Amino acid sequence: DTGVSQDPRHKITKRGQNVTFRCDPISEHNRLYWYRQTLGQGPEFLTYFQNEAQLEKSRLLSDRFSAERPKGSFSTLEIQRTEQGDSAMYLCASSPHLAKGTDTQYFGPGTRLTVL
Amino acid sequence: AQSVTQLDSHVSVSEGTPVLLRCNYSSSYSPSLFWYVQHPNKGLQLLLKYTSAATLVKGINGFEAEFKKSETSFHLTKPSAHMSDAAEYFCVVSDLTGNQFYFGTGTSLTVIP
Repeated sequence: DTGVSQDPRHKITKRGQNVTFRCDPISEHNRLYWYRQTLGQGPEFLTYFQNEAQLEKSRLLSDRFSAERPKGSFSTLEIQRTEQGDSAMYLCASSPHLAKGTDTQYFGPGTRLTVL
Repeated sequence: AQSVTQLDSHVSVSEGTPVLLRCNYSSSYSPSLFWYVQHPNKGLQLLLKYTSAATLVKGINGFEAEFKKSETSFHLTKPSAHMSDAAEYFCVVSDLTGNQFYFGTGTSLTVIP
C-alpha cells in the first residue's frame, strides 16, 4: 500500500501525559499537512511542511503542540501535557507540490486521541 | 478570508434517486474548490476538484459539481444514489496560495434502501 499511513490508529491517555503521533506520507510527496477533526466538525488545519521546513502554523497549534519532519519524509506531532479538549482525530495528508496550481491532498486514516 | 458553508448537516435519499449536497463558498478571489468523502473508519478521499478550468467538474463514482460564480456555489450531485454512497461529505476551499485548506462542517448522507 503506497498511501499515507498514520500510527497509532488509536491512543488513550491520561490528562497531563505527553503523546506522539507519526505520519508517513506518500513517497515523493514533498508537502505534509496535519489537521485536527472533532466530532461533528470538518478537519481544521494545524500546520504544514514543505520538505523539512515547517512553513505555516495555525493559531490552533498552542505551545503544547510541536511538529517535526526532520528528514523531509515522515513527520511527528507531539502534544505535551494533554488536556481533555485535545481529544480528537488527528489527520495527516500529503501532496506533491506543483509549480503551478493547487495541490490535491491525500489523507491518512487518522489517529484518534482520547484524553481521560 | 476563505470559508465554505454546507447548507445541510444531514441528507437522506432513497436508493436510485438523485443526490444534491449543497455548498456555498466565500472568497475574495477565484477559488479552488474540492469535495471529499469520508467513510466510517476510512481516510478522506477526493471526489473532485475545481481549479478555474471547466465549471462542470466530473469526479469519481458518478459524482459531479458545478461551479457557479454568480451564486458562489459548488453543489455536489449524483443522478442515482447507491447504498455505498452513504458517508460524510466535505466541501473544501483553498486559500490564494494553495497552502491552506478550509473544510466545511460536513453533510452526512444516508441512503435508504
